Amino acid sequence: NAGVTQTPKFRILKIGQSMTLQCTQDMNHNYMYWYRQDPGMGLKLIYYSVGAGITDKGEVPNGYNVSRSTTEDFPLRLELAAPSQTSVYFCASSNALLNYGYTFGSGTRLTVV
Amino acid sequence: DAKTTQPNSMESNEEEPVHLPCNHSTISGTDYIHWYRQLPSQGPEYVIHGLTSNVNNRMASLAIAEDRKSSTLILHRATLRDAAVYYCILRDAQGGSEKLVFGKGTKLTVNP
Repeated sequence: NAGVTQTPKFRILKIGQSMTLQCTQDMNHNYMYWYRQDPGMGLKLIYYSVGAGITDKGEVPNGYNVSRSTTEDFPLRLELAAPSQTSVYFCASSNALLNYGYTFGSGTRLTVV
Repeated sequence: DAKTTQPNSMESNEEEPVHLPCNHSTISGTDYIHWYRQLPSQGPEYVIHGLTSNVNNRMASLAIAEDRKSSTLILHRATLRDAAVYYCILRDAQGGSEKLVFGKGTKLTVNP
C-alpha cells in the first residue's frame, strides 16, 4: 500500500498565484485532514472531511479551499498565495473506527515569495 | 477540545529507557489518548493509543493513570532514531470531534 501520497513535495509560488496541493490515500479511509506546520511550531488543522461530499473548517481555514468528490482524494486549493502561507503542509487520513491512528503523508514544502 | 500539557524538551542517553509525561486533567470519559512522533523533516507518525488500560506495541508502551488525568509514553531502550518531537493528543470517541489537535509536543534528544 502507498498510504497517503502528497504532491508536489516542494513548490515556490509568487504572491497572488494559485495552486492545488494534491492528496490521495489508498486505504479506503473515510476521514481526511489538511494541516500546516510553520517552522518550530506544532501542526494546525486547516480543513477536514468525514466522507465524500462533506468538508468542514479547522483552526486556520482562511485563504484555503477544499473539496472531497471521492473517498481517495482531498485536494487543498490556495487561491491568492500570500507570504503568510509559507509552510509545510501535511495531509492525513484515518479510519472511522477510533481504534486506529492517523496516517500522514510526507508533506509539501511551500514557499511564497 | 480537551488540552494536554507536555514538557518542551527532554534528554536521554542511548540504550536507556525514556518516560515522556503528559497531563490531561480535563479528559472526558470518551477521550482516547493518542501519541504521535515527528522525526526531523518528516510527517507525524502514529506511535500508540489507549483509553483506560496500559498498552504495549512494538514501538512503545503507554501507561495511563488510574484517574486518566495523566499518561506516560515509555520507550524501553532509546536509540538515536528515536530523537523526535512527541505529541500527546486526545481524540474524542463520541463522534463529536473527529480531528486531532496538536500542541507543541516534547522534543526528545538522545545522546550517544
